[in-house]
Amino acid sequence: NAGVTQTPKFRVLKTGQSMTLLCAQDMNHEYMYWYRQDPGMGLRLIHYSVGEGTTAKGEVPDGYNVSRLKKQNFLLGLESAAPSQTSVYFCASKLAGVVTGELFFGEGSRLTVL
Amino acid sequence: GQNIDQPTEMTATEGAIVQINCTYQTSGFNGLFWYQQHAGEAPTFLSYNVLDGLEEKGRFSSFLSRSKGYSYLLLKELQMKDSASYLCAVQDSNYQLIWGAGTKLIIKP
Repeated sequence: NAGVTQTPKFRVLKTGQSMTLLCAQDMNHEYMYWYRQDPGMGLRLIHYSVGEGTTAKGEVPDGYNVSRLKKQNFLLGLESAAPSQTSVYFCASKLAGVVTGELFFGEGSRLTVL
Repeated sequence: GQNIDQPTEMTATEGAIVQINCTYQTSGFNGLFWYQQHAGEAPTFLSYNVLDGLEEKGRFSSFLSRSKGYSYLLLKELQMKDSASYLCAVQDSNYQLIWGAGTKLIIKP
């Protein structure tokens, strides 16, 4: 019962460095999402995917890229990290076509950019 | 613009009842969700409302009034483990979730 797994859980970067966050889900969900959570703000959608090979921009996509080469994996990349990208990142997934469908979240990845 | 408002923080006593309010203004409405998030953990699903009225699930109930753009989460018989943040989210006309900033609930013995 792994559900949604994110790696790494913690990371410290220097400004300008790059990194990739990996999200893996074993529930055969079509939809996957990357959110960031900052103090005093609601979850903000970065990018999402409605199926293998497809991605779309969310509310705050600048500075991030994503890929969904396999149905179970959704990668979030930071090409040149900035201090403004210090945040907690959550991956989530859900079944397609279920309006009432709940999101299943990973445990989060805490990123600090110095 | 789209907006979800919730109180930032609330305090309640163990064994008591607390009501957490959520008001929203969104582009369309396709349901309202409540999630619970313990500190340092992932959000977990609590409830979904799409029709007006009260949905009861054990100690937790959620109410919706679409005409007023208003929902509340009611927690009864509070336990220390209920100390968490409670997130309100509205599914808009594009079925995207708009999230409130969350209400931090502190339970005192």
